[in-house]
Amino acid sequence: GENVGLHLPTLSVQEGDNSIINCAYSNSASDYFIWYKQESGKGPQFIIDIRSNMDKRQGQRVTVLLNKTVKHLSLQIAATQPGDSAVYFCAENSNTGNQFYFGTGTSLTVIP
Amino acid sequence: DSGVTQTPKHLITATGQRVTLRCSPRSGDLSVYWYQQSLDQGLQFLIHYYNGEERAKGNILERFSAQQFPDLHSELNLSSLELGDSALYFCASSVEEYYGYTFGSGTRLTVV
Repeated sequence: GENVGLHLPTLSVQEGDNSIINCAYSNSASDYFIWYKQESGKGPQFIIDIRSNMDKRQGQRVTVLLNKTVKHLSLQIAATQPGDSAVYFCAENSNTGNQFYFGTGTSLTVIP
Repeated sequence: DSGVTQTPKHLITATGQRVTLRCSPRSGDLSVYWYQQSLDQGLQFLIHYYNGEERAKGNILERFSAQQFPDLHSELNLSSLELGDSALYFCASSVEEYYGYTFGSGTRLTVV
């Protein structure tokens, strides 16, 4: 499968701080990326997506940045809350593929 | 509730046995994907069906098989189970291929 990896397996942040979770991908043909959040005992939940014709996309408290030059993706969470504690996965797809490939995940812990 | 229904939620079975996991996609979604999640492997793509047809296979063992029925629900069959098959099995659905997935809450399989 594709090599989608995360720079940091664990991340701890203080409540109210901003969080940044990084992801590297290896397939230069990948043109659609999604960040998922997985809480304990639950399935992954869609957070935000971005296509390769964009380099930034914002949602509610979350921003995804895409740098195609270095094949890097990041998820920024503003004013991190305890409810943000979860494992975050990046996933990539290309228009020649029928499935997403997932990274191994980063565990985010928010310290109250 | 994501709209993707997986049953059963938990399954404990012995080595050598066969089990069937069931998935009902969100209403209107034609694509169904199966993923295996174990502690050290992350989310591994198994197989994808679109409107009843197999579209892609990932790291699916020959002991595993799947199908999608005319009503679009899907079943994943796991046979000759081994201890290493213990994992969370997720089903996801999307309205079309190359769209973001919605995941179910998973089936936790324990092989003893």
